[in-house]
Amino acid sequence: GAVVSQHPSRVICKSGTSVKIECRSLDFQATTMFWYRQFPKQSLMLMATSNEGSKATYEQGVEKDKFLINHASLTLSTLTVTSAHPEDSSFYICSANPTVQETQYFGPGTRLLVL
Amino acid sequence: QQQVKQSPQSLIVQKGGIPIINCAYENTAFDYFPWYQQFPGKGPALLIAIRPDVSEKKEGRFTISFNKSAKQFSLHIMDSQPGDSATYFCAASRREYGNKLVFGAGTILRVKS
Repeated sequence: GAVVSQHPSRVICKSGTSVKIECRSLDFQATTMFWYRQFPKQSLMLMATSNEGSKATYEQGVEKDKFLINHASLTLSTLTVTSAHPEDSSFYICSANPTVQETQYFGPGTRLLVL
Repeated sequence: QQQVKQSPQSLIVQKGGIPIINCAYENTAFDYFPWYQQFPGKGPALLIAIRPDVSEKKEGRFTISFNKSAKQFSLHIMDSQPGDSATYFCAASRREYGNKLVFGAGTILRVKS
């Protein structure tokens, strides 16, 4: 149980285009989902907290107009990187909390490369 | 005060050895302490977690020791195997903070066969 999926697993795009990443909780409902960014050999950096049916809460220094987050249902959150640039290339990981649990379960990650 | 300090940065042990990874925190409001294992190119996977009312928890070959007064907790891997070679992250959270995880910097473990 407690499986989180992400799609796509890997994406290459041209500079200036937008990329959407989906995060789904497959066997549980998640009131809260989180989006992280991870650079090579570094820890996870929280970008934003996504609550179903409400606006996402962004961490300090994260551009909300660049990283659009939508949490339309209890099993799906999406992250859209708008007008991507090479510096946005990174490993993006989502996680989800089953309702009334503190445990976060992570997705497999999405590798984004912006050319 | 929101930091979790993790050490060592990297660790090499022989197969069968017991690697120990340590973490320290400042915020006594944290009430949940999980450990995650991450392989290259994959998302972190929950290994084991503990709450501050318990001093030790075992799950299989993994043991967490928790010292509330010292604000420290550690992960021990018994009978380590080459397949345990991965990066390990400790973390801390509090329900009232929305269960947001504060991660340690990570420890790269290599188990030599």
